[in-house]
Order: sequence, then C-alpha cells, then structure tokens
Amino acid sequence: EADIYQTPRYLVIGTGKKITLECSQTMGHDKMYWYQQDPGMELHLIHYSYGVNSTEKGDLSSESTVSRIRTEHFPLTLESARPSHTSQYLCASSEYPRDGSPLHFGNGTRLTVT
Amino acid sequence: AQRVTQPEKLLSVFKGAPVELKCNYSYSGSPELFWYVQYSRQRLQLLLRHISRESIKGFTADLNKGETSFHLKKPFAQEEDSAMYYCALRGTSYGKLTFGQGTILTVHP
Repeated sequence: EADIYQTPRYLVIGTGKKITLECSQTMGHDKMYWYQQDPGMELHLIHYSYGVNSTEKGDLSSESTVSRIRTEHFPLTLESARPSHTSQYLCASSEYPRDGSPLHFGNGTRLTVT
Repeated sequence: AQRVTQPEKLLSVFKGAPVELKCNYSYSGSPELFWYVQYSRQRLQLLLRHISRESIKGFTADLNKGETSFHLKKPFAQEEDSAMYYCALRGTSYGKLTFGQGTILTVHP
C-alpha cells in the first residue's frame, strides 16, 4: 500500500548520541519535508527536498541534517543529541508543489533525549 | 514572508452547536489554504483545501481574500470532531506549508 513510513515511532536516548530518524514513502513523490512539532503542538519546517540530491533548510533553524540519495528515502540525522532536541518529528511528502496537492504525513517519531 | 495565525488555542462547544475555527493569513501573493486535522493517536491528515471548495465531514471553509481569512465552519458539531486542527498556507511554488499554531477543539456530549 502506498504510504509514508517513519521509524522508530518512539526513541529515548542519552545526550551525545548520534541518531538517525528514518522516513520512507512509496508514493513516488519528489517533494519531501521534515517538520518539528514542539510540546505546544506548533509545527515548524526544518528541512525539505525537491528531489534526489536536493536538500534545503526550512524556516526553523535545526542542528539536524538530512540526505536524499533515493527518491523514497529522506533520513534525518542528529550527530550529537541534546535534551533541547526532545520533540516530535514529522516527515511528509507531496506530489506537486501547488494546485492543491496536499502533504501526506507519517506517524511521526517522538524523540526524548535524557 | 508568509504567516498563519489561529487566535484560539482551545475551543470547546457542545454537541449539536455550531463551531467556527478561525484562521488568518499574511501573504502578498495568491495563496493556497488548507485545513489539517490530527485526531488522538492518529497522524496529521488533510481535512480540506480551498481550491476544491468541498465539504468534508460537514466542515466547510471559504477563502476571504479581503479579510485574509480561511475560517473552518461546521453547523452542528459532533463528539468525533474533537481533535487538533491546523490551518496551513502554501505561498511559493516550492510546495512547503506554513502552519498556524493549531486549535484544540473539544466537543462535549
């Protein structure tokens, strides 16, 4: 079934560890996005990609990095996790940049850094 | 710059009452507006988009360019409408959405 998948669903990790949040979609979408959903439930764009080998920083500054080596895969990496990184991370994809094309979201990864 | 404002963080109504979730935006061009909903323990999902001029689950939203608003309305709220609602704007051709702060709607029996 065409969908967007995020793993892990929950992650608790200690300060200083390197982590990678996985995001894969089977819809063939070129556009992919990472949003951070903070405890107040606001959503902030932290990274996006127009296609393979394309990555851009979003509206909210983030210490994380992303890569887009394959169309279906858009992982997010934190080289050294800190408690301030504790948040929910949502991955999304879309087919077209405009004309009402919606974003499809994954279930999210809830990250807790102790 | 594009900005979306949802002035109400929390909104409570009783079942059967009308409900309106407010959304105002700031964008100098021609925006695309969306409403997304997140039910408890479910992923964020599209509710409706202004370009379709559709009614979904009894909800409608009209884009008012003069007032730069895209309020979400339902004449008779149901308990299953309780959720977090986000208004979102797409202004550029790059596809990214700017979200409002969200409104938690609670419909009491």
